[in-house]
Amino acid sequence: NAGVTQTPKFQVLKTGQSMTLQCAQDMNHNSMYWYRQDPGMGLRLIYYSASEGTTDKGEVPNGYNVSRLNKREFSLRLESAAPSQTSVYFCASSYIFRNQPQHFGDGTRLSIL
Amino acid sequence: SQQGEEDPQALSIQEGENATMNCSYKTSINNLQWYRQNSGRGLVHLILIRSNEREKHSGRLRVTLDTSKKSSSLLITASRAADTASYFCATEEAGTALIFGKGTTLSVSS
Repeated sequence: NAGVTQTPKFQVLKTGQSMTLQCAQDMNHNSMYWYRQDPGMGLRLIYYSASEGTTDKGEVPNGYNVSRLNKREFSLRLESAAPSQTSVYFCASSYIFRNQPQHFGDGTRLSIL
Repeated sequence: SQQGEEDPQALSIQEGENATMNCSYKTSINNLQWYRQNSGRGLVHLILIRSNEREKHSGRLRVTLDTSKKSSSLLITASRAADTASYFCATEEAGTALIFGKGTTLSVSS
């Protein structure tokens, strides 16, 4: 039982390049989330999908887009990467949006030069 | 916008001692959750406590919630080296997604 799987684990990009981070969960969860974690900042929500077919902005959505491909998969796209987007990105899922624990992947470490 | 704020930012103790971390928040919540993060890994859910609950236990973990003071505490009893990690509180308000604090870094030495 893999839980939440994120790919890739590491990536280095040049400023202006685009990239899609992939996330898949095998727990039949309805809700999925993308966070970024920066030193001293905790986790900040980028986008979330409360259920298949819906997506909503979180606290820091600028510069990102998301796609809820199906119930299992939720991708995060950087259209034109900037050094300020250097961070560790975490995907998470929960059974439903309210009053439920979230299950996290092990993150994608992204550096933008 | 940060809702929960953990205190202390860092805590160092010896194996066998108890570790207490606190979380304060600003507005009414539906629930408060505690997570652990080992170095280089994703967050792992520890306990969820609802606004109408005052205390929950899970193994060596005890969480309390005081909604009148808008605060929560996480107690780890008889700490082990394997408890070394960062601990985050997260609050869920009505109508919003979960908001995480900046975390407490716990170091347990043998």
